[in-house]
Amino acid sequence: KAGVTQTPRYLIKTRGQQVTLSCSPISGHRSVSWYQQTPGQGLQFLFEYFSETQRNKGNFPGRFSGRQFSNSRSEMNVSTLELGDSALYLCASSLLPSGVVGAQETQYFGPGTRLLVL
Amino acid sequence: KNEVEQSPQNLTAQEGEFITINCSYSVGISALHWLQQHPGGGIVSLFMLSSGKKKHGRLIATINIQEKHSSLHITASHPRDSAVYICAVNNDKIIFGKGTRLHILP
Repeated sequence: KAGVTQTPRYLIKTRGQQVTLSCSPISGHRSVSWYQQTPGQGLQFLFEYFSETQRNKGNFPGRFSGRQFSNSRSEMNVSTLELGDSALYLCASSLLPSGVVGAQETQYFGPGTRLLVL
Repeated sequence: KNEVEQSPQNLTAQEGEFITINCSYSVGISALHWLQQHPGGGIVSLFMLSSGKKKHGRLIATINIQEKHSSLHITASHPRDSAVYICAVNNDKIIFGKGTRLHILP
């Protein structure tokens, strides 16, 4: 079974531009979560989608948005890029969303997209 | 104060040593994860547990729900175990610790 794939793997943008990152979950997984990882803040939760609905959102400004399609593929978009948005963006998929009572879903991580904003 | 605290932040040990990494959390959780991240960024989920103890090869993870504490142990450590180990908890959303950077010397 293919793992979680993310495209592109590397991206260089300039301040003010916008960017769209893509995540294809493991076949059959309906939950996709996005995370940002920076040297200073570590891993931080961005948002989680399940069955095309956003279930949770982390403490990020509205410039960060996402969506999930009917085939469970997900995209995240960052508008008006700032230097501080330079980070590794990771997505992870699971069968069920996190926080579901009784569910103990392992998340499978993609390789990440490394974004550099100049 | 961070909701998930890990200790130590950095750990260097000799090959063969027994390693313990600790994680304390201050929120109610449905599950706790231990993740491993190698240089280059790839993250692997090692364990997900909500009670007791789990073992996989040389790795053992324990959790004490009453004390809100978990430990990850590595027996007979090897240089290939060198990585960042991250504790994360499920609290409606996932909250991560800052990670423990482990370096095993040959």
